[in-house]
Amino acid sequence: SAVISQKPSRDICQRGTSLTIQCQVDSQVTMMFWYRQQPGQSLTLIATANQGSEATYESGFVIDKFPISRPNLTFSTLTVSNMSPEDSSIYLCSVEIPRLGTYEQYFGPGTRLTVT
Amino acid sequence: RKEVEQDPGPFNVPEGATVAFNCTYSNSASQSFFWYRQDCRKEPKLLMSVYSSGNEDGRFTAQLNRASQYISLLIRDSKLSDSATYLCVVNGPGGSQGNLIFGKGTKLSVKP
Repeated sequence: SAVISQKPSRDICQRGTSLTIQCQVDSQVTMMFWYRQQPGQSLTLIATANQGSEATYESGFVIDKFPISRPNLTFSTLTVSNMSPEDSSIYLCSVEIPRLGTYEQYFGPGTRLTVT
Repeated sequence: RKEVEQDPGPFNVPEGATVAFNCTYSNSASQSFFWYRQDCRKEPKLLMSVYSSGNEDGRFTAQLNRASQYISLLIRDSKLSDSATYLCVVNGPGGSQGNLIFGKGTKLSVKP
């Protein structure tokens, strides 16, 4: 597997502000992903963070709202821009590791965001 | 039809019981299947990948039925520490590897 850390672990932010979440992994990985888990819901993929190119966003998520950086193979950031209370959620990064003919994803501990 | 469907539970079982969770998925192109467990206020942790022939890891057995688009997880000799939400996960549209589709999870509570 991989050891993944996220910063901050939690934050309380005012509406209209932005927060940048960092994700660090202990080994080089090709694929990193950002997910959101809203209260009482399961995980939804926001985007795939590609090293050296723009992130690929899922339907319903746009770059202006969730800009992503991927400067190298061990690090990525997700920014939640112009926040509203609806953005209150847990944000998780994950990495994909090949294993036994498939790819397994491992998750960071998450960032719990509350927007007031 | 939801992409990944699970019975939300909760399943309340005594220690030592055998419990089975089922999951159906809608994308016939999916190639990768997983069970994750998620403890309260924690990130999902990979429990096991599910292979076509079925696979076992200790007290846990996973099975895949591609024809019925159905995945199962069997837990034998339940422990208190098995209490968690179990997430059925398949890879997404077009069979792409990265995009995982998560079910909403089945909650298990193991009682003494």
